[in-house]
Formats: sequence, structure tokens, C-alpha cells
Amino acid sequence: GEDVEQSLFLSVREGDSSVINCTYTDSSSTYLYWYKQEPGAGLQLLTYIFSNMDMKQDQRLTVLLNKKDKHLSLRIADTQTGDSAIYFCAEILSGGSYIPTFGRGTSLIVHP
Amino acid sequence: EPEVTQTPSHQVTQMGQEVILRCVPISNHLYFYWYRQILGQKVEFLVSFYNNEISEKSEIFDDQFSVERPDGSNFTLKIRSTKLEDSAMYFCASSEEGLASYEQYFGPGTRLTVT
Repeated sequence: GEDVEQSLFLSVREGDSSVINCTYTDSSSTYLYWYKQEPGAGLQLLTYIFSNMDMKQDQRLTVLLNKKDKHLSLRIADTQTGDSAIYFCAEILSGGSYIPTFGRGTSLIVHP
Repeated sequence: EPEVTQTPSHQVTQMGQEVILRCVPISNHLYFYWYRQILGQKVEFLVSFYNNEISEKSEIFDDQFSVERPDGSNFTLKIRSTKLEDSAMYFCASSEEGLASYEQYFGPGTRLTVT
């Protein structure tokens, strides 16, 4: 079955770039998402990429998709303390029930 | 900006008791979902609901669980006889379109603690 894996923690200094990585097992993914969860809040959709794309950029966020390696990354440029949150990777498969599969989430800690 | 709300934020209950978790989805959304996240584990899909019936459910969503839209605004998840392993954060979500929509809006979650 499908599986999505992420590292649990990432610590960066304010102003540096953050790269959060995610691997998935099923090559029939259609949508791949990044969600952000701030303390006490729900999951907020940050960005998504279709599986026929390699890259998507949205202001400080860059999503890279390597379909061969089944690897998805989220790069946050000029990381700010307000970016401290848990980031979830998720995929939706084609031809199935469209139930999203989430990773455990990566806790990003930004130090001043 | 419209948002999904959930109550209570934290619910403590004894094993064997029934609990009802409440959600108010975004008003013009038609699809509703429940997810849960056991501490330290992945966010897991439980159920989706559309047009007053369940459209998808996972293996987790057994006979102990039920969902209801009792009126035009609330969407509830009931656990009939809670077990210790039901302790988790429960998220409600809603979307304008079905699961294939790229955008589901999530509530802040209800932390359920079963003692």
C-alpha cells in the first residue's frame, strides 16, 4: 500500500533556507500536498503540485518533485520565526478512492 | 476568512463512554471529512460525507463510529464506546468539491483523551 515518510524534526536559523523532505511509495500519485499546522490550529494547505510537474514556486516556497525517486521537497527561502510549525506531506492517488495519505509531519523550529 | 470550527478543543472521557465531537464546516461546502492523529503518528483518514451519506470510509471507521449532519451547519463524529486507543487528535475538514479537490479546509482539532 501507499506510504508517506518524513523526517520528524528540522532546526534552522532565521534567514536561512529550510528544506523539508518527503518520500512516497506509490508512483500513481496525482496530487502531492504540503500542509502547515501552527500550534492550536488546523492543517492549512500551503501548496500542492500535480504529478506531471517537476517544480512549483510560490513566493518563498518552492516544491520540487522527483518522480523517479518518489521524492518531494518543500524549500522555504529566508525562513522566519513565523514559519515554525509542523509541515505535513500528503498524496492522493489516481484511479482510487482519492483518500489522502499523510506523513507524520516535520516539526520546523526556527531559531532567531 | 471563513474557517472550520470544532468543539470542544479538548475532551476527556472514561473508557466505555460515548463521545460526540462537533464540527461546523464552511457554510457553502458540500463535502465533509473526519481524520485523526494519534500522538506521534500519521494523520489518518476516517470518513467522508456528502449528500447526507457516507461516501468513503477507512478500516478504522468501524461500527463504534458514526457521523451525522443533524442540521444545516453541524457535522458530528460519535464514538459509541470509547477505548483507550481512541485517544487522538480528531480533525474535521470540508471542501467545496469531493476528495479529488486539491483544497480541504481543516479545523483546529479536538484532542480526545480516554482514561
